[in-house]
Order: sequence, then structure tokens, then C-alpha cells
Amino acid sequence: DAGVIQSPRHEVTEMGQEVTLRCKPISGHDYLFWYRQTMMRGLELLIYFNNNVPIDDSGMPEDRFSAKMPNASFSTLKIQPSEPRDSAVYFCATDRDNEQFFGPGTRLTVL
Amino acid sequence: EDQVTQSPEALRLQEGESSSLNCSYTVSGLRGLFWYRQDPGKGPEFLFTLYSAGEEKEKERLKATLTKKESFLHITAPKPEDSATYLCAVQGAGGGNKLTFGTGTQLKVEL
Repeated sequence: DAGVIQSPRHEVTEMGQEVTLRCKPISGHDYLFWYRQTMMRGLELLIYFNNNVPIDDSGMPEDRFSAKMPNASFSTLKIQPSEPRDSAVYFCATDRDNEQFFGPGTRLTVL
Repeated sequence: EDQVTQSPEALRLQEGESSSLNCSYTVSGLRGLFWYRQDPGKGPEFLFTLYSAGEEKEKERLKATLTKKESFLHITAPKPEDSATYLCAVQGAGGGNKLTFGTGTQLKVEL
């Protein structure tokens, strides 16, 4: 199994631009999580899905952030418009038997 | 709100010098306490899940223990390849499959 796949691995953009991060989960895993990691705040849960349905989005910082999971094989996290304070590493993780498997992350830099 | 505090923030050991990392937590109804290892530039990698006070789990040079207020990750005779950031997370009764992470302990093992 290839594990959780995220793209792009690195993204540099300018303030105000739209950013879309992508995740392909491990086949057969029912849960999908989006996290953000910064030096100051550590690893924070943004939103998670169960069987493609959003369950808890209380960690989404504001309306500029949105996440979708149109099918069991794909999820996106969108930031529009992006701001410098959104700079962080964004991780996607999927869950089997309450054990989360993380992707390699997307390092986002907003100038 | 679930909270996790890890100490120390950073730890430097000589090869073979055993030590422990601490994870203190407050949670309403602990469903599980998780330990992850994170290498630079990578996503966290699952190590252990502990479910109840008194439980212990081992993997190679690592042993995790759990009490009602804290967990310890004991590292016996560490090697340089054990250098990483170790993250602790809790799952509470009211949070579904959500994990709340601590900010981690950065371990460096030197020859």
C-alpha cells in the first residue's frame, strides 16, 4: 500500500491567492483527518470525515477554510483567500481501528 | 476541553543513557492515549495506544506506561536512530475519533 498521498508537497503562494491541498487516503479507511502543524501551536485538528461525511469542523479557523470529501478516494482542503498566518505544514491522516496513519504533509508558505 | 502537556520540550542524551518523556493530560473520559514518533520533514508515525491506567506497552527500546493523570515513554539504552520528536495525544469520550496532541518532546541521541 502506498500510504496516504498528499499533493503538492510544497506550495508557495502570495497573499490573497486560492490554495488547494489534496489527499488520497488509504483504501478501506473510513476516517479522514486534516491537521495543521506550526512551531507555536503544534499539531491541530482542523476537520475530520467519516465515510465521506464531515463530523467535526470545529477546528477550522475561519470561513476562508473549507474541506470536501466527494468520494472515498479523495479529499481537498481549500484556503481562499490565503494569508501569511496560514503558513504551516498541513497533514492528512486516515484511520484504521483507531490508529491514524499520516501522509507526508504539504508545506505551505504564503508570502 | 482536552489538554495535553509534554515535558521536557527538548532532551539530549548520550547513546545508552536511559530516560523518560512525560505526557500530562486532562480529558473527560479517556478513550485512549496515543504516542507517535515524528522525524523531520515527515508525518507522525504511530507507536502505541494505551487505554487504561496501569497498562504498559513495549516496542524495541521504548516502553509506554499510563496512570490516571499522565503517561511516560521510557527509552532504554537509546541509539542515535531514536532521535526524533515524540508526540502524545489523547482521545476523550465526547470527541468522537478526534485526537488532541501535545507539542512534543524533541529527542536527540548522540554518540
